[in-house]
Amino acid sequence: NAGVTQTPKFQVLKTGQSMTLQCAQDMNHEYMSWYRQDPGMGLRLIHYSVGAGITDQGEVPNGYNVSRSTTEDFPLRLLSAAPSQTSVYFCASSYTDLDEQYFGPGTRLTVT
Amino acid sequence: AQTVTQSQPEMSVQEAETVTLSCTYDTSESDYYLFWYKQPPSRQMILVIRQEAYKQQNATENRFSVNFQKAAKSFSLKISDSQLGDAAMYFCAYRAPWDMLTFGGGTRLMVKP
Repeated sequence: NAGVTQTPKFQVLKTGQSMTLQCAQDMNHEYMSWYRQDPGMGLRLIHYSVGAGITDQGEVPNGYNVSRSTTEDFPLRLLSAAPSQTSVYFCASSYTDLDEQYFGPGTRLTVT
Repeated sequence: AQTVTQSQPEMSVQEAETVTLSCTYDTSESDYYLFWYKQPPSRQMILVIRQEAYKQQNATENRFSVNFQKAAKSFSLKISDSQLGDAAMYFCAYRAPWDMLTFGGGTRLMVKP
């Protein structure tokens, strides 16, 4: 049982480049979310989805796009990377928004 | 937006001793959930314990227990018989129905052998 997987584990981008962080879960969870974690801070919600075809913004959505075409996958797109987006990104999933969230291993992104 | 505050950036405990990590939160809701997550150096976020606000009984999971004071909006985590493997960042988190999961800033716990 793979749980929540994220790729890549590490990524370095130049300012202005775009990329997609991949997230997949095999637990048939409806609720999926993306967080970023900055030094000395807890996780902050970027975007979330309550099911396929439905997404919404979290606390810090600017500069990021998401889509949810399937239950399993929830990619996060950086359209034009900025140094302020240097962070560790976590994907999480759960059956509902109040159930235990299962986290992926994280992606460390550096934007130079 | 709700806020979650962890006032202790760092704590240390001797192996086999007991330590308590503090967490306070701000909400006007009566129905909500509170969580403690552990993040070891591997970066993996691991749920330690969960408390439903409507339950008066404090949650326990083996060596981990909470002191939930709803009126004071306080949710502390007690770790008994501390082990070297308990060394990690600990995050308190809050969620109300139809609201986002909000994390505190974290407490780094060091365990001394």
